[in-house]
Amino acid sequence: NAGVMQNPRHLVRRRGQEARLRCSPMKGHSHVYWYRQLPEEGLKFMVYLQKENIIDESGMPKERFSAEFPKEGPSILRIQQVVRGDSAAYFCASSPRGEVGNEQFFGPGTRLTVL
Amino acid sequence: DQQVKQNSPSLSVQEGRISILNCDYTNSMFDYFLWYKKYPAEGPTFLISISSIKDKNEDGRFTVFLNKSAKHLSLHIVPSQPGDSAVYFCAASTSYGKLTFGQGTILTVHP
Repeated sequence: NAGVMQNPRHLVRRRGQEARLRCSPMKGHSHVYWYRQLPEEGLKFMVYLQKENIIDESGMPKERFSAEFPKEGPSILRIQQVVRGDSAAYFCASSPRGEVGNEQFFGPGTRLTVL
Repeated sequence: DQQVKQNSPSLSVQEGRISILNCDYTNSMFDYFLWYKKYPAEGPTFLISISSIKDKNEDGRFTVFLNKSAKHLSLHIVPSQPGDSAVYFCAASTSYGKLTFGQGTILTVHP
């Protein structure tokens, strides 16, 4: 059973470009969470999605950031018009159920560098 | 606001001794607490968890203690091994499992 997969592992973008980060949850998991880790900080919650639904996006910046988890295919975190402050590690986690106490399984992360 | 705090950025321990990592929280609505371990360039991996209705949970060399009145939890690793060297994150959860993380503590276990 493959773990959570994220690609690309490393992404370099120039200011103003778009970044697309992909996350394939573990088989059988329909709940996906995205977290961001800035340098020297802990992980910060961004968004929680179920298939075709955004449940909680309270951690997402109001502009330029969007996320989706379509019926088929991976979850996508999209950052438009990237700025240097977007440089961070972005982690995706999946869970079989969106409940307290359910372990979240994390992917290896995508390291975004904005030049 | 930092609802989950790990006040020690780093901890150095001799192999075979006990490692104690601490975590404080401010939100009394948290009802589940977890510890994750993270190696460089990898995602966090789950270590151990505890429900707010308990005060202790043990799994092999790892024990988590929860003091609700003090809003404090700790992770004990005994005996510590060099392979335990990593960043340890405390996390807290409410409702549907959204995690709030502390800043992390770098544990170094010396042979």
